[in-house]
Amino acid sequence: QVQLQESGPGLVKPSQTLSLTCTVSGGSISSGGYYWSWIRQHPGKGLEWIGYIYYSGSTYYNPSLKSRVTISVDTSKNQFSLKLSSVTAADTAVYYCARFRGDSSGYYYGHFDYWGQGTLVTVSS
Amino acid sequence: EIVLTQSPGTLSLSPGERATLSCRASQSVSSSYLAWYQQKPGQAPRLLIYGASSRATGIPDRFSGSGSGTDFTLTISRLEPEDFAVYYCQQYGSSPLRLTFGGGTKVEIK
Repeated sequence: QVQLQESGPGLVKPSQTLSLTCTVSGGSISSGGYYWSWIRQHPGKGLEWIGYIYYSGSTYYNPSLKSRVTISVDTSKNQFSLKLSSVTAADTAVYYCARFRGDSSGYYYGHFDYWGQGTLVTVSS
Repeated sequence: EIVLTQSPGTLSLSPGERATLSCRASQSVSSSYLAWYQQKPGQAPRLLIYGASSRATGIPDRFSGSGSGTDFTLTISRLEPEDFAVYYCQQYGSSPLRLTFGGGTKVEIK
């Protein structure tokens, strides 16, 4: 059973960089066909995909956040990370890491099958 | 960007009743790439349906998905107390890359 766990500061000051790490257990982050993702949810609102990374290091970002987002992977630690720069109060949200199952071996998939519990990040001075 | 519109915003039903949730896309979505999730307060979303109609592991058969093109439906045949939650649809497209969620439907106890 794959498990994901987010970690990082719960409070970030405006204009600074938000940094979170997701640790994956119960499976290898280097497994083919899976993309390691960040999704956020503003308080009381819906879900917003931030971006994802393949174990090879290829990244794909939501165009609306692309200029401020960096996702990286550390296969030796089975972890991947999110950096979001120049944050404002509008970036206050619960941040989830999740595993995205993509196309593989002739099968077509496009969904998130495992999620972390989420971590609330508040942007405030 | 493909916009997913979910309706109704809130569905008030009693346990045992049938729930029908709609997800309408602004452009055609491949059925392979349409999923549904359930989210309860304070919890992460849980995958229910992928490929428009395939149940995820461990999901009871009272949950079913259907649809194609721009119109998709999640049906809960008989609501159990634990089914009262918010439900989201999600679509994915690879060329160009696009991944969006609907705004959600809250199923509440009447």
